[in-house]
Amino acid sequence: GAGVSQSPSNKVTEKGKDVELRCDPISGHTALYWYRQRLGQGLEFLIYFQGNSAPDKSGLPSDRFSAERTGESVSTLTIQRTQQEDSAVYLCASSVSILSNQPQHFGDGTRLSIL
Amino acid sequence: EDQVTQSPEALRLQEGESSSLNCSYTVSGLRGLFWYRQDPGKGPEFLFTLYSAGEEKEKERLKATLTKKESFLHITAPKPEDSATYLCAVPISGGYNKLIFGAGTRLAVHP
Repeated sequence: GAGVSQSPSNKVTEKGKDVELRCDPISGHTALYWYRQRLGQGLEFLIYFQGNSAPDKSGLPSDRFSAERTGESVSTLTIQRTQQEDSAVYLCASSVSILSNQPQHFGDGTRLSIL
Repeated sequence: EDQVTQSPEALRLQEGESSSLNCSYTVSGLRGLFWYRQDPGKGPEFLFTLYSAGEEKEKERLKATLTKKESFLHITAPKPEDSATYLCAVPISGGYNKLIFGAGTRLAVHP
């Protein structure tokens, strides 16, 4: 497809379980970002990847959160031992590069609900 | 501390009633300001990038402007299909393209 693709679109899981969220960026985009959007709030930066450089993990809220990306392709965001406060929409975006003049293009997100 | 504040939180307009949304920002050395539109259940859709004070961009009924402290999104003769949440974002100080977002303005346009 032409846009950023995320899966699953919805995920319901029990507290304490691990979840894995997937993001397919736009082909040719070297930069990839993860954000979290809580109900009624703005987007919160989590992590970004740029090519083969070390990722910027400064936004990850705890060590239960981790993310990986292989080259310039798919990325996965993993949340271990989920808590109810992890309930949110997790959005992925990609851009041509990490330069600040490049707009980020978003997928439709994964809506995560922790019971 | 870098900050983005949008107002109003919600805005209700009649079809054809023009208005403006505000985005105030506090960041050292602005390197761009982005406007997005977000529909329910969807990801943000890119609208505009503005780089310097005085710059304006237009798209259909939308026009974005930028000053040294804030940006406005002007909506002229809106239609019901313009109903959405409008988000603005800026790159944080010294942080490449790490964006800080405002909480958004929820716009409802009624026929």
